Amino acid sequence: KAGVTQTPRYLIKTRGQQVTLSCSPISGHRSVSWYQQTPGQGLQFLFEYFSETQRNKGNFPGRFSGRQFSNSRSEMNVSTLELGDSALYLCASSLLIGQTNYGYTFGSGTRLTVV
Amino acid sequence: EDQVTQSPEALRLQEGESSSLNCSYTVSGLRGLFWYRQDPGKGPEFLFTLYSAGEEKEKERLKATLTKKESFLHITAPKPEDSATYLCARGGGSQGNLIFGKGTKLSVKP
Repeated sequence: KAGVTQTPRYLIKTRGQQVTLSCSPISGHRSVSWYQQTPGQGLQFLFEYFSETQRNKGNFPGRFSGRQFSNSRSEMNVSTLELGDSALYLCASSLLIGQTNYGYTFGSGTRLTVV
Repeated sequence: EDQVTQSPEALRLQEGESSSLNCSYTVSGLRGLFWYRQDPGKGPEFLFTLYSAGEEKEKERLKATLTKKESFLHITAPKPEDSATYLCARGGGSQGNLIFGKGTKLSVKP
């Protein structure tokens, strides 16, 4: 079965611009989580969406936002880009049963470079 | 505070030289202990999930074990293609998320 698909794979943006990243989860997975990965901080949780609603949110500024569509595809948006936003952005889909996520599967990520 | 600590940060092995990677975690509210493999420029690839102390899972040359406070990833007779960063994560973070360690970068020389 198809895995988690993230587009685009690479992006170069200038400071102050905004960017939108897309994630299509595994078929049947309705929970989508986003993570930021940097060499210094490792993987840090951004937010999770389930059934078009934000279920959880990490400790990132309001410039980072997301949404989920009825087909479970998710987008994340970063406005007013800063140099420090350069990172690999990873999406993971999972099966939410009760309060527990199962089968976390990651996409290949979007490499964002802010210049 | 939820924490996951991995050691060592880096490990160099000769082909065939077995070893173990360590992951210690805060126990409260644990919902699974996850191991992933990550190659440069790629997303983490799922290896194992463990839920109960005493649980063990194996896949090819890898075996993951779980105690009440630690998990180990044992690598038996590694090959150069096992070179990667191995990430450990605990489920059930305070925000319902996965909490990751910083990873162990494994290099296996022929």
